[in-house]
Amino acid sequence: DTGVSQNPRHKITKRGQNVTFRCDPISEHNRLYWYRQTLGQGPEFLTYFQNEAQLEKSRLLSDRFSAERPKGSFSTLEIQRTEQGDSAMYLCASSLNADTQYFGPGTRLTVL
Amino acid sequence: QQQVKQSPQSLIVQKGGISIINCAYENTAFDYFPWYQQFPGKGPALLIAIRPDVSEKKEGRFTISFNKSAKQFSLHIMDSQPGDSATYFCAASKAGTASKLTFGTGTRLQVTL
Repeated sequence: DTGVSQNPRHKITKRGQNVTFRCDPISEHNRLYWYRQTLGQGPEFLTYFQNEAQLEKSRLLSDRFSAERPKGSFSTLEIQRTEQGDSAMYLCASSLNADTQYFGPGTRLTVL
Repeated sequence: QQQVKQSPQSLIVQKGGISIINCAYENTAFDYFPWYQQFPGKGPALLIAIRPDVSEKKEGRFTISFNKSAKQFSLHIMDSQPGDSATYFCAASKAGTASKLTFGTGTRLQVTL
């Protein structure tokens, strides 16, 4: 059990660029979650996958955001036409049919 | 609409003292209440969790107290240590929602020598 991993750990981009983040969940965990955390706040739910199916999306996830989990393993979160307001820590978590979620170290995005 | 309210925002405790962080929730459908610890630059790590069928759960120096009628729960850290200095988040989830977590705003704990 190597834990949840996320790449890159840090990303600096210019406004208007597209960025993609990757999350590798704990092996055999069928549930995968994306959260966003801004400075001084708790994480906020963005979206959830059960295996490869994206079953729920928050209203926070505008149409510039898209997430995938091909083959039910790793997941990617893409942000198109980034805005300064997208600057945040993007956290991934996984679980195995249970309430307990294990979080990765996050990807910190800075949009200049 | 903030469904989980957390207080205090920050807390300073002397080494060996008891740290107490409180949370209140609004949605009575919540049925799982975890506490997470987060160090700067790291992801949240699960500390301890409780369900509404018990009023208290203890794991080592960490205890959750749960008051269903008041819709409140709290984290007690006994014998606080400098290594406990971190930000603590309470959270809640409800059955049938794939356990998506609703977090409080966090409490920054500093344990002084």
